[in-house]
Parts: sequence; structure tokens; C-alpha cells
Amino acid sequence: EPEVTQTPSHQVTQMGQEVILRCVPISNHLYFYWYRQILGQKVEFLVSFYNNEISEKSEIFDDQFSVERPDGSNFTLKIRSTKLEDSAMYFCASSEGRVGGANVLTFGAGSRLTVL
Amino acid sequence: AQSVAQPEDQVNVAEGNPLTVKCTYSVSGNPYLFWYVQYPNRGLQFLLKYITGDNLVKGSYGFEAEFNKSQTSFHLKKPSALVSDSALYFCAVRDRNNQGGKLIFGQGTELSVKP
Repeated sequence: EPEVTQTPSHQVTQMGQEVILRCVPISNHLYFYWYRQILGQKVEFLVSFYNNEISEKSEIFDDQFSVERPDGSNFTLKIRSTKLEDSAMYFCASSEGRVGGANVLTFGAGSRLTVL
Repeated sequence: AQSVAQPEDQVNVAEGNPLTVKCTYSVSGNPYLFWYVQYPNRGLQFLLKYITGDNLVKGSYGFEAEFNKSQTSFHLKKPSALVSDSALYFCAVRDRNNQGGKLIFGQGTELSVKP
């Protein structure tokens, strides 16, 4: 069964450092997403990406965050200058984007970011 | 604004008993509705979805959910719980008019099934 893969599974970084989280979505999917889950809290939407541009973003997704699909397979989330409150599990997801379909999101296993 | 509420932080059930995990939503129009499950240290796994038609939707692992438009609810059910069903369950909604739109999640309900 096709799956979304994420690397690294866990990253520890110092406050103020840049972090890049990587994702390989399912190959025939058209929509890509990043969500985050702070420990013990709900899963929060960060950003969606379609046709090589951001289609929607949340208030959380400020200027410190950026996304990129550099090579047609990877989908990355960059945090330019990490803060303590960025510590969370970050989930990548993708969906087919079929018109008229429910378009189930398939999630990766997540990348746990710990900012010290 | 779209929102999802899961009124119970935790549900405790004895193995073999029926289980219900509650979800209500507030959206404009008719949304798509989903249930996802999260096992410890794992990602979110899709369980089932409601698109249209029959209000009772069947999904993975024997789970089902009942869509009730008048009560704006989409409760998750299983006739006979297993210890292995213990996990965190998330209800989610999405705008039907946006095929690539974001999912809005509830806060999650931790299901604990005891032998």
C-alpha cells in the first residue's frame, strides 16, 4: 500500500537554528499538507500546497515557516529560526485531489521536533 | 468558521462491550466527515468517511459511524471493543466544495479498552 514517508523521525535542535523536515508524498497525489501536533494537544493545520504554490495556510504558518517541492518528489517544511514553542510532532499528508471525491488525506508517521 | 468538538477526553470500555466515541461539528453546508486513529508514536490512520447517502458508514477494523444531520453529529461506534482498539481517535471535517481543502480536527478522544 502506498505511504507517505517522513524524515527525520526525530530531530533535536537549539533555539534559533534552522530546521528542514522532509516528506515524500504518494506519487500520484496532487495536494500536500503539513500539520503539527503539540504534545497532548489537537492536530493543527499549517499549510496546504497545490500546483507548486501554497493554496491555504493557517495563522500558525508565519514568516518563519516555508514549504517547497524542490524536485517533484520531496515536499519540505523549513523553520528558519526555531523557537521553544515549535517543539511538536509534524505530520506531512497528501491527497489525490480528485474533483467530486472525498479525497482522503494519507498521513506520514511524523517528525518529532524538539527545540532546546 | 468550521469546528469539530469531541466532548469526551477519554472513553473507558470493557473488552467485548460496545463503544461510542462522540463527535459534533459546526460547518456551513454539507461537509465531508472523517475518523482517524492514532496509535502511540504513530501517524494518523484513516478509519472511515462520510460522503453522501446511507447515514451509517462502515470502515476499517469493524468500526462504523452514524451521520446525523439534524444533530450535526458523526459518532464512531463498534459493537464489540477489543483491547487493541485502545488509541487516540480524531474526528475531522472538510469543506465539500474544496477538494484539496484542509481537514479540521477535533481535540481527540482517548479510548481505553480493558480486558
